[in-house]
Amino acid sequence: TQLLEQSPQFLSIQEGENLTVYCNSSSVFSSLQWYRQEPGEGPVLLVTVVTGGEVKKLKRLTFQFGDARKDSSLHITAAQPGDTGLYLCAADNYGQNFVFGPGTRLSVLP
Amino acid sequence: EPEVTQTPSHQVTQMGQEVILRCVPISNHLYFYWYRQILGQKVEFLVSFYNNEISEKSEIFDDQFSVERPDGSNFTLKIRSTKLEDSAMYFCATSRVRASDTQYFGPGTRLTVL
Repeated sequence: TQLLEQSPQFLSIQEGENLTVYCNSSSVFSSLQWYRQEPGEGPVLLVTVVTGGEVKKLKRLTFQFGDARKDSSLHITAAQPGDTGLYLCAADNYGQNFVFGPGTRLSVLP
Repeated sequence: EPEVTQTPSHQVTQMGQEVILRCVPISNHLYFYWYRQILGQKVEFLVSFYNNEISEKSEIFDDQFSVERPDGSNFTLKIRSTKLEDSAMYFCATSRVRASDTQYFGPGTRLTVL
């Protein structure tokens, strides 16, 4: 069973700070997705990365897929309280089951 | 923007009872999925469904679980005889092509088994 690890598990920062969270695995994935989940709601897709080394930007969020397609990072610039939530990475293992990481719970304090 | 909907939002049931959770996929999507998330734990894949049959299922998806798309619109998850440990959020997701395509999640059904 492929596993995705995410770090840190918890992160509490002040508004305006920058942060990076990580998603790692020993397996190679065909694609990787980042989601944000609010309490009591379903995950909301932020981005899908497919190509090794790919970088995608979504406003203040920058996503990178590792060259070997085993890891990914999410960098947030000038974090805002609205960024608070659980950030999940999930990966598709070449058509087999879809795996989620345990998430990084981010809290941005005003 | 089209979205996945799920009903009910919250289901409370007695242990041993059958429950059916319903999902209405986005209309042009072909692949459907059920996931569950036990409180405080990670999202876990249960099953994927394409062309009216199961494509993949996880170890969690045992004989107590079944899925179907009875009327071409609703996609349902049935748990035949609920156990306490089935208490969780159950999320339906759909994608247009495959899991490598964008998966859109519904808001979830919170199942509480007493």
